[in-house]
Amino acid sequence: KAGVTQTPRYLIKTRGQQVTLSCSPISGHRSVSWYQQTPGQGLQFLFEYFSETQRNKGNFPGRFSGRQFSNSRSEMNVSTLELGDSALYLCASSSQREGLMWQETQYFGPGTRLLVL
Amino acid sequence: GQNIDQPTEMTATEGAIVQINCTYQTSGFNGLFWYQQHAGEAPTFLSYNVLDGLEEKGRFSSFLSRSKGYSYLLLKELQMKDSASYLCAPKGVNRDDKIIFGKGTRLHILP
Repeated sequence: KAGVTQTPRYLIKTRGQQVTLSCSPISGHRSVSWYQQTPGQGLQFLFEYFSETQRNKGNFPGRFSGRQFSNSRSEMNVSTLELGDSALYLCASSSQREGLMWQETQYFGPGTRLLVL
Repeated sequence: GQNIDQPTEMTATEGAIVQINCTYQTSGFNGLFWYQQHAGEAPTFLSYNVLDGLEEKGRFSSFLSRSKGYSYLLLKELQMKDSASYLCAPKGVNRDDKIIFGKGTRLHILP
């Protein structure tokens, strides 16, 4: 199976611009989560999509948004970029296996490194 | 609230064994992830523990005690390539609960 793919891998933008990042999950995975990682804050959860619906959201401003398509591919958008948005943006796809206590696997894509100047 | 505690840094010698501890407090709990992350790269899935006890996967093993809110990752026969950050991340009881990541433990392997 192909892994999680993210495009683009690197991006340079200027303050005030907007950016759209794309993620294709592992085939068969219906859940896609987005994270922001910075040296100071570590991995911060942005949001999760499952079957085209956002089912969880982190504590980020409304400038950060996302969506998921019927083929499970997901995009996230950041509008009005700020210098502090410079980070590694990671997408992860997961599957959950039924059971008394359900099992879960979550795999990350390679990330998009965003630099805001 | 949720709280995850793991050591910030550890150092070990090539060929040795190291144990990275993680304690957590969550409002609900289903299982706990361990990830390895090399500098500049994405995290790599190592394990997801749901049941109490030790799960072994080659040189890496992960232990969970649900009643104590405690887990550890055991790395045997350390290699230089094991130098990385190791992230502990508990998941809540509901399928749609978000995964909360700890700050990670940076492991340095000395020759």
